[in-house]
Amino acid sequence: AIRMTQSPSSFSASTGDRVTITCRASQEISTYIVWYQQKAGEAPNLLIYAASTLQRGVPSRFSGSGSGTDFTLTISRLQSEDFATYYCQQYYSYPYTFGQGTKLEVK
Amino acid sequence: QVTLRESGPALVKPTQTLTLTCSFSGFSLSTNGMCVSWIRQPPGGAPEWLALITWDDDQYYSASLETRLTISKDTSKNQVVLTMTNMDPVDTATYYCARAITWNDGHFPDYWGQGTQVTVSS
Repeated sequence: AIRMTQSPSSFSASTGDRVTITCRASQEISTYIVWYQQKAGEAPNLLIYAASTLQRGVPSRFSGSGSGTDFTLTISRLQSEDFATYYCQQYYSYPYTFGQGTKLEVK
Repeated sequence: QVTLRESGPALVKPTQTLTLTCSFSGFSLSTNGMCVSWIRQPPGGAPEWLALITWDDDQYYSASLETRLTISKDTSKNQVVLTMTNMDPVDTATYYCARAITWNDGHFPDYWGQGTQVTVSS
Protein backbone atom coordinates (compact mmCIF):
# COMPACT_ATOMS: atom_id res chain seq x y z
CA ALA A 1 0.00 0.00 0.00
CA ILE A 2 1.10 3.56 -0.67
CA ARG A 3 2.10 5.36 2.51
CA MET A 4 1.13 9.01 2.88
CA THR A 5 3.26 11.00 5.33
CA GLN A 6 2.05 14.41 6.45
CA SER A 7 4.06 17.09 8.16
CA PRO A 8 3.87 18.65 10.58
CA SER A 9 1.58 16.49 12.71
CA SER A 10 0.51 19.59 14.62
CA PHE A 11 1.10 23.28 14.21
CA SER A 12 0.24 26.47 16.10
CA ALA A 13 -0.63 29.59 14.14
CA SER A 14 -2.53 32.87 14.38
CA THR A 15 -5.37 34.25 12.31
CA GLY A 16 -3.99 35.99 9.24
CA ASP A 17 -0.97 33.67 9.00
CA ARG A 18 -0.02 31.80 5.86
CA VAL A 19 0.19 28.07 6.56
CA THR A 20 1.57 25.22 4.47
CA ILE A 21 1.01 21.52 5.15
CA THR A 22 2.93 18.89 3.24
CA CYS A 23 2.13 15.34 2.25
CA ARG A 24 4.64 12.91 0.80
CA ALA A 25 3.65 9.70 -0.97
CA SER A 26 5.85 6.62 -0.71
CA GLN A 27 5.62 6.21 -4.49
CA GLU A 28 4.56 8.20 -7.53
CA ILE A 29 0.85 9.08 -7.54
CA SER A 30 0.72 11.71 -10.30
CA THR A 31 -1.89 14.23 -9.04
CA TYR A 32 -4.28 11.65 -7.52
CA ILE A 33 -4.53 13.32 -4.13
CA VAL A 34 -7.30 15.02 -2.18
CA TRP A 35 -7.21 17.20 0.92
CA TYR A 36 -9.88 17.17 3.62
CA GLN A 37 -10.61 19.42 6.58
CA GLN A 38 -12.16 17.84 9.65
CA LYS A 39 -13.56 19.61 12.68
CA ALA A 40 -14.26 17.86 15.96
CA GLY A 41 -17.36 15.67 15.82
CA GLU A 42 -17.85 16.18 12.09
CA ALA A 43 -17.14 14.19 8.95
CA PRO A 44 -14.21 15.22 6.77
CA ASN A 45 -14.98 17.95 4.25
CA LEU A 46 -13.41 17.89 0.78
CA LEU A 47 -11.26 20.93 0.05
CA ILE A 48 -9.06 20.05 -2.92
CA TYR A 49 -9.02 17.22 -5.48
CA ALA A 50 -6.61 16.30 -8.25
CA ALA A 51 -3.88 17.97 -6.18
CA SER A 52 -4.87 21.54 -7.04
CA THR A 53 -8.56 21.80 -7.98
CA LEU A 54 -10.67 23.64 -5.45
CA GLN A 55 -13.94 21.90 -4.57
CA ARG A 56 -17.05 24.02 -5.20
CA GLY A 57 -17.83 26.28 -2.30
CA VAL A 58 -14.38 26.13 -0.71
CA PRO A 59 -12.85 29.57 -0.04
CA SER A 60 -10.11 30.66 -2.40
CA ARG A 61 -7.63 31.09 0.47
CA PHE A 62 -7.15 27.32 0.22
CA SER A 63 -4.87 26.05 -2.52
CA GLY A 64 -3.04 22.85 -3.37
CA SER A 65 -0.02 22.00 -5.43
CA GLY A 66 2.37 19.22 -6.30
CA SER A 67 2.66 16.10 -8.41
CA GLY A 68 4.51 12.84 -8.24
CA THR A 69 5.31 12.30 -4.58
CA ASP A 70 5.33 15.72 -2.91
CA PHE A 71 2.24 17.82 -2.29
CA THR A 72 1.26 20.90 -0.33
CA LEU A 73 -1.92 22.44 1.02
CA THR A 74 -1.67 26.18 1.64
CA ILE A 75 -4.03 28.45 3.54
CA SER A 76 -3.12 31.97 2.53
CA ARG A 77 -4.67 33.93 5.41
CA LEU A 78 -5.91 31.84 8.30
CA GLN A 79 -9.42 32.51 9.51
CA SER A 80 -10.78 31.41 12.87
CA GLU A 81 -12.89 28.70 11.23
CA ASP A 82 -9.78 27.10 9.69
CA PHE A 83 -8.47 25.71 12.97
CA ALA A 84 -9.09 22.01 12.40
CA THR A 85 -7.35 18.81 11.38
CA TYR A 86 -6.31 18.31 7.76
CA TYR A 87 -5.82 15.01 5.96
CA CYS A 88 -4.43 14.07 2.59
CA GLN A 89 -5.56 10.91 0.77
CA GLN A 90 -4.26 9.25 -2.38
CA TYR A 91 -6.61 7.67 -4.88
CA TYR A 92 -3.98 6.56 -7.36
CA SER A 93 -4.14 2.89 -6.47
CA TYR A 94 -6.01 0.54 -4.16
CA PRO A 95 -6.07 0.40 -1.25
CA TYR A 96 -6.59 4.13 -0.98
CA THR A 97 -4.67 5.56 1.97
CA PHE A 98 -4.78 8.62 4.19
CA GLY A 99 -2.08 10.66 5.84
CA GLN A 100 -1.97 10.69 9.62
CA GLY A 101 -3.31 14.24 9.81
CA THR A 102 -2.12 17.74 10.68
CA LYS A 103 -3.83 19.46 13.60
CA LEU A 104 -3.86 23.22 13.21
CA GLU A 105 -4.17 24.96 16.57
CA VAL A 106 -4.46 28.53 17.79
CA LYS A 107 -1.18 30.03 18.92
CA GLN B 1 -28.72 17.67 -2.82
CA VAL B 2 -26.49 14.70 -2.03
CA THR B 3 -27.00 13.12 1.39
CA LEU B 4 -25.80 9.87 2.93
CA ARG B 5 -26.75 8.27 6.23
CA GLU B 6 -25.16 5.31 7.95
CA SER B 7 -27.17 2.94 10.12
CA GLY B 8 -26.32 -0.11 12.15
CA PRO B 9 -25.68 -1.32 15.68
CA ALA B 10 -23.82 0.94 18.07
CA LEU B 11 -22.47 -2.01 20.05
CA VAL B 12 -21.29 -5.40 18.87
CA LYS B 13 -19.60 -8.21 20.73
CA PRO B 14 -16.19 -9.63 19.81
CA THR B 15 -16.36 -12.28 17.07
CA GLN B 16 -19.75 -11.02 15.87
CA THR B 17 -20.44 -9.79 12.36
CA LEU B 18 -21.13 -6.08 11.84
CA THR B 19 -23.62 -5.05 9.18
CA LEU B 20 -23.84 -1.38 8.24
CA THR B 21 -26.21 0.19 5.76
CA CYS B 22 -25.61 3.40 3.84
CA SER B 23 -28.81 5.03 2.59
CA PHE B 24 -28.31 7.84 0.15
CA SER B 25 -30.18 10.34 -1.98
CA GLY B 26 -29.33 12.95 -4.57
CA PHE B 27 -27.52 10.55 -6.91
CA SER B 28 -27.91 7.08 -8.39
CA LEU B 29 -25.42 4.25 -8.18
CA SER B 30 -26.51 3.20 -11.65
CA THR B 31 -25.03 6.39 -13.08
CA ASN B 32 -21.72 5.93 -14.87
CA GLY B 33 -18.85 7.07 -12.64
CA MET B 34 -20.66 6.94 -9.31
CA CYS B 35 -19.28 4.92 -6.42
CA VAL B 36 -19.77 4.54 -2.68
CA SER B 37 -16.93 4.07 -0.20
CA TRP B 38 -16.76 3.01 3.42
CA ILE B 39 -14.17 4.65 5.64
CA ARG B 40 -13.65 4.34 9.38
CA GLN B 41 -11.92 6.49 11.93
CA PRO B 42 -10.85 5.28 15.37
CA PRO B 43 -11.15 7.69 18.30
CA GLY B 44 -8.45 10.34 17.94
CA GLY B 45 -7.03 8.67 14.83
CA ALA B 46 -6.85 9.19 11.10
CA PRO B 47 -9.44 7.89 8.66
CA GLU B 48 -8.86 4.41 7.23
CA TRP B 49 -10.26 3.51 3.83
CA LEU B 50 -12.15 0.19 3.90
CA ALA B 51 -13.98 -0.57 0.68
CA LEU B 52 -15.55 0.84 -2.46
CA ILE B 53 -18.21 -0.32 -4.89
CA THR B 54 -18.65 1.14 -8.36
CA TRP B 55 -21.69 1.81 -10.53
CA ASP B 56 -20.88 -1.32 -12.53
CA ASP B 57 -20.47 -3.44 -9.38
CA ASP B 58 -16.69 -3.62 -9.16
CA GLN B 59 -15.60 -4.00 -5.54
CA TYR B 60 -12.30 -2.95 -3.95
CA TYR B 61 -11.12 -3.63 -0.41
CA SER B 62 -8.49 -2.68 2.14
CA ALA B 63 -5.69 -5.22 1.75
CA SER B 64 -5.43 -5.78 5.50
CA LEU B 65 -9.17 -6.31 5.98
CA GLU B 66 -10.14 -7.91 2.67
CA THR B 67 -10.90 -11.33 4.11
CA ARG B 68 -13.38 -9.82 6.60
CA LEU B 69 -15.21 -7.31 4.41
CA THR B 70 -18.03 -7.54 1.91
CA ILE B 71 -19.57 -4.54 0.15
CA SER B 72 -22.76 -4.77 -1.88
CA LYS B 73 -25.33 -2.45 -3.38
CA ASP B 74 -29.07 -2.33 -3.93
CA THR B 75 -29.50 0.27 -6.63
CA SER B 76 -33.29 0.19 -6.48
CA LYS B 77 -33.23 1.07 -2.77
CA ASN B 78 -30.31 3.55 -3.01
CA GLN B 79 -28.40 1.54 -0.40
CA VAL B 80 -24.94 0.11 0.06
CA VAL B 81 -24.23 -2.51 2.71
CA LEU B 82 -20.91 -3.29 4.37
CA THR B 83 -20.39 -6.43 6.42
CA MET B 84 -17.33 -6.99 8.57
CA THR B 85 -16.87 -10.39 10.19
CA ASN B 86 -15.07 -11.41 13.36
CA MET B 87 -15.24 -8.02 15.05
CA ASP B 88 -12.57 -7.12 17.59
CA PRO B 89 -12.24 -4.26 20.07
CA VAL B 90 -9.63 -2.66 17.78
CA ASP B 91 -12.44 -2.22 15.23
CA THR B 92 -14.09 0.34 17.51
CA ALA B 93 -14.45 3.46 15.36
CA THR B 94 -16.78 5.85 13.64
CA TYR B 95 -17.79 4.30 10.34
CA TYR B 96 -18.57 6.62 7.42
CA CYS B 97 -20.01 6.03 4.01
CA ALA B 98 -19.20 8.51 1.28
CA ARG B 99 -20.09 9.09 -2.33
CA ALA B 100 -17.05 8.78 -4.55
CA ILE B 101 -16.88 10.19 -8.03
CA THR B 102 -14.65 9.09 -10.87
CA TRP B 103 -11.91 11.40 -12.07
CA ASN B 104 -9.35 10.14 -14.56
CA ASP B 105 -9.79 6.50 -13.50
CA GLY B 106 -9.56 7.32 -9.80
CA HIS B 107 -12.45 7.61 -7.36
CA PHE B 108 -12.42 10.14 -4.54
CA PRO B 109 -15.08 10.78 -1.89
CA ASP B 110 -16.78 14.15 -2.21
CA TYR B 111 -19.81 13.81 0.07
CA TRP B 112 -19.70 12.01 3.41
CA GLY B 113 -22.38 10.83 5.78
CA GLN B 114 -22.34 11.97 9.40
CA GLY B 115 -20.88 8.65 10.53
CA THR B 116 -22.03 6.01 12.96
CA GLN B 117 -20.12 5.10 16.10
CA VAL B 118 -19.48 1.38 16.55
CA THR B 119 -18.07 0.00 19.79
CA VAL B 120 -16.83 -3.56 20.06
CA SER B 121 -17.04 -4.85 23.60
CA SER B 122 -18.28 -7.87 25.47
